This record gives sequence, structure tokens and C-alpha cells, in this order.
Amino acid sequence: DTAVSQTPKYLVTQMGNDKSIKCEQNLGHDTMYWYKQDSKKFLKIMFSYNNKELIINETVPNRFSPKSPDKAHLNLHINSLELGDSAVYFCASSQHTGELFFGEGSRLTVL
Amino acid sequence: GQQLNQSPQSMFIQEGEDVSMNCTSSSIFNTWLWYKQDPGEGPVLLIALYKAGELTSNGRLTAQFGITRKDSFLNISASIPSDVGIYFCAGQKSSGAGSYQLTFGKGTKLSVIP
Repeated sequence: DTAVSQTPKYLVTQMGNDKSIKCEQNLGHDTMYWYKQDSKKFLKIMFSYNNKELIINETVPNRFSPKSPDKAHLNLHINSLELGDSAVYFCASSQHTGELFFGEGSRLTVL
Repeated sequence: GQQLNQSPQSMFIQEGEDVSMNCTSSSIFNTWLWYKQDPGEGPVLLIALYKAGELTSNGRLTAQFGITRKDSFLNISASIPSDVGIYFCAGQKSSGAGSYQLTFGKGTKLSVIP
């Protein structure tokens, strides 16, 4: 069983489109995150939710909107996609420690 | 924002050699963690360090939490081909409310020559 699962794994779309990435964790963790990994492999936090409440909201364009319907799910919706949004987006979860469990990533390519 | 300086950026070593990489920061962290990322996968936690001066091993991996709380190193002994990947250090401070914000280093890309 996959602990943190993201869908889709690959996403290719045109500039200006709106797309969503879904994430689910079956670890029973209270906290979930979205990270962005750029082409140079740099990992940067975007958002963090604890028990459905937004905790961390880094400097991210407001075209990015996370939604957490329950503590096992954290989805990421992106409006008006731009070329610079192309990256790998990782979902992660943690419980009571800084030990994060990452999903396999969703590679977004904007043409 | 905070930055972690991770070095070296990349390494090419012969199978069987030992490897050492480190991270330094201008900020103090409560926790240091080391992750490995294989191609097409997400980072996987290797070792977590919670106390200044702590030295922890996980098989052929050994990591230490610097006494100043501003640095950490990771050693891999007797490298094997499956050690290939990108190794990331991460420093953590609690953001409160159960959320833990990690600051990642830029990674060390390890290549092992059989």
C-alpha cells in the first residue's frame, strides 16, 4: 500500500489552462505539505496544512490554491498555468516530528 | 529565506569507496534530517538527528548533528551501485500547530562507478 499517493504522476498542458493535483495519505498523519522541485532539484515548501487548517503559506502566486477536505487529503489547484510553473510537485505528510514522508511526485509540464 | 549550504554538489566515486557530504547554515535548527532521492521518486528519509552532537548510524550510513546546531554531515561507507542518487540535507524548525517547516539543501548528486 502506498503511504502518500499523488495523481496524476505526469501532467502536460497548455499555458493558461487550469489543472489540479490530488494527494492522499493513509498514514494517519495530521499534517500535509506541498513542495515544488525545480529543474535544478531544489525543494521548496509551498503550503502546509495541519488537520485541514492552513499553517504555512510561503510566497506562492495566488494562482495556486490548496484545498484539504479532510486530514488525509490535500489537493493543489493551479489557475492560469504559466511556463514557469513547470516542475515536479511533491506532496508529503508528517506526524509529531519533522520526519516527512513524500509521495512520488507529479511532473507538470506547461507548453 | 534561510539557506543551507550543501557540499559537494556532485561526486563521482568508485564502488567500495567511502563518501562524505555536509551541510552548513547560518541559522540554528532543532532537527537535521538526511534524505535520498532516486530518479523519478520522492525523497526518502535516511536519518533524523534531534540533539546537538548526536551521532546516528543506519547500516552503512552515519550522520552527525553539529554541536553548534548549524551543521551536519553524512558519511556512506563502502559505497555500492544502489547508493546512486541525490542526497539532501534538511534543517527543521517547528512552525507551531504541529507543522514542521523543512529547509532543504541543494543536494549532492552521487554517482558510483562499478
